[in-house]
Amino acid sequence: ETGVTQSPTHLIKTRGQQVTLRCSSQSGHNTVSWYQQALGQGPQFIFQYYREEENGRGNFPPRFSGLQFPNYSSELNVNALELDDSALYLCASSLGDGAGGGLNGYTFGSGTRLTVV
Amino acid sequence: AQTVTQSQPEMSVQEAETVTLSCTYDTSENNYYLFWYKQPPSRQMILVIRQEAYKQQNATENRFSVNFQKAAKSFSLKISDSQLGDTAMYFCAFMKYDLDDKIIFGKGTRLHILP
Repeated sequence: ETGVTQSPTHLIKTRGQQVTLRCSSQSGHNTVSWYQQALGQGPQFIFQYYREEENGRGNFPPRFSGLQFPNYSSELNVNALELDDSALYLCASSLGDGAGGGLNGYTFGSGTRLTVV
Repeated sequence: AQTVTQSQPEMSVQEAETVTLSCTYDTSENNYYLFWYKQPPSRQMILVIRQEAYKQQNATENRFSVNFQKAAKSFSLKISDSQLGDTAMYFCAFMKYDLDDKIIFGKGTRLHILP
C-alpha cells in the first residue's frame, strides 16, 4: 500500500509567477485535502476535493485553485505568487463519502517546500 | 470559529521520562474530534491519537494518552517512557463532523527528547 506522494519536494519561484504542486493520493482514497504550513505555524486548510469536485474551502483567495483527476490524484495551482505564499504545502488523502471522510483517517504526504523570492 | 491554542512553544525532557503537552480549544460545537499529530523532520504529519468528544473515556495508544476535559475545553497529551524517536513537532488539532472535515491545527509544540 503506497502512501501519499507529493512533487516536487522543493521549489523556488519568483514573485508574480505561477506554480503547480502535485499529489498522488494513497491507494483506495478518494478525497484529497491541501494545507499550507507557514514557518513556525500549524497547517491551514486550503481546500478539499472529493470525486473531482471542490468539497470545501478555507480562507484563501481565488488565485489558489485545484484539480482532482479520475485516479484521485490532485494538483494545487497558485497564480500571481506573493512572498507570503512561501510555505510548506501538505496534501492529505482519505477515504470519504463527501461528508465526514476524515473520520477514516488522513494520510499526509511529506509536502512541497515553496519559496517565493 | 474554532481555535486551537498550544501555550508551550518548546519543551525538553530526558529520555525515559514522562512529558505532558498542553492544548486548549474553543468551539460552540458539541460533536467534534480532537487529535494530536506528530511532525518529525521528514515533515510528514503522523496521527498520534484521536479522541471523539462524545466519549468520556480518555484515548490511549501505547505510550501516548490524553486527558480530555470537555467542559474546560482542554486536551493534553501525555507521553510516557519518552524515546529519542519522539523528538518532533506536536500539533493539537480539532475537527467538527462537517462536509469538508477540515482540520484546525494549533501552532505546535517542539519537543526534544534528550539522551
